[in-house]
Amino acid sequence: EPEVTQTPSHQVTQMGQEVILRCVPISNHLYFYWYRQILGQKVEFLVSFYNNEISEKSEIFDDQFSVERPDGSNFTLKIRSTKLEDSAMYFCASSEVAGGDTQYFGPGTRLTVL
Amino acid sequence: LAKTTQPISMDSYEGQEVNITCSHNNIATNDYITWYQQFPSQGPRFIIQGYKTKVTNEVASLFIPADRKSSTLSLPRVSLSDTAVYYCLVVRRKAGSYQLTFGKGTKLSVIP
Repeated sequence: EPEVTQTPSHQVTQMGQEVILRCVPISNHLYFYWYRQILGQKVEFLVSFYNNEISEKSEIFDDQFSVERPDGSNFTLKIRSTKLEDSAMYFCASSEVAGGDTQYFGPGTRLTVL
Repeated sequence: LAKTTQPISMDSYEGQEVNITCSHNNIATNDYITWYQQFPSQGPRFIIQGYKTKVTNEVASLFIPADRKSSTLSLPRVSLSDTAVYYCLVVRRKAGSYQLTFGKGTKLSVIP
């Protein structure tokens, strides 16, 4: 069964450093998403991406965040200058269509900002 | 989107059927009810989606009454591996609607 993959599984960084989290969505999917989950809290939507542009973003997704699909398979989330409060699990997801279609989540990247 | 309310936690013995009820009083005509499952340190996993009446797949059944103000996820004969958090989501199936809004979910603990 096809699945979403994410690398690395765990990233440790110093406050103020830039990090790039990588995702390979399911190959025939057209819609891509990033969510995050701070330890013990809810899964929160960050951004959705379609046709090489952001289609929707939350208030969390400020200027420190950016997304990119640099080639035909990868989907990345960049945090320019990490803060302590960015420590969380970051989940990538993809879906065939939008409008409430089933989203398939990756295993997540645990980001720890020291 | 309609707010959902579900129990914070439930316990069940192995082999029992588990029913988790979710209320969504303000559900709209365009909205579907979707359930996801999340194991610790893993991403959420889609379980089932429905609009009304009953939907069944190899994992679970979803019961939705005619007024659609609530829904019940039914897990037949649970095992220890079903211990997870279960999320009830209201999803609007229309163009331009992308994000999933997760609540706190129901933490199901299956006891041997």
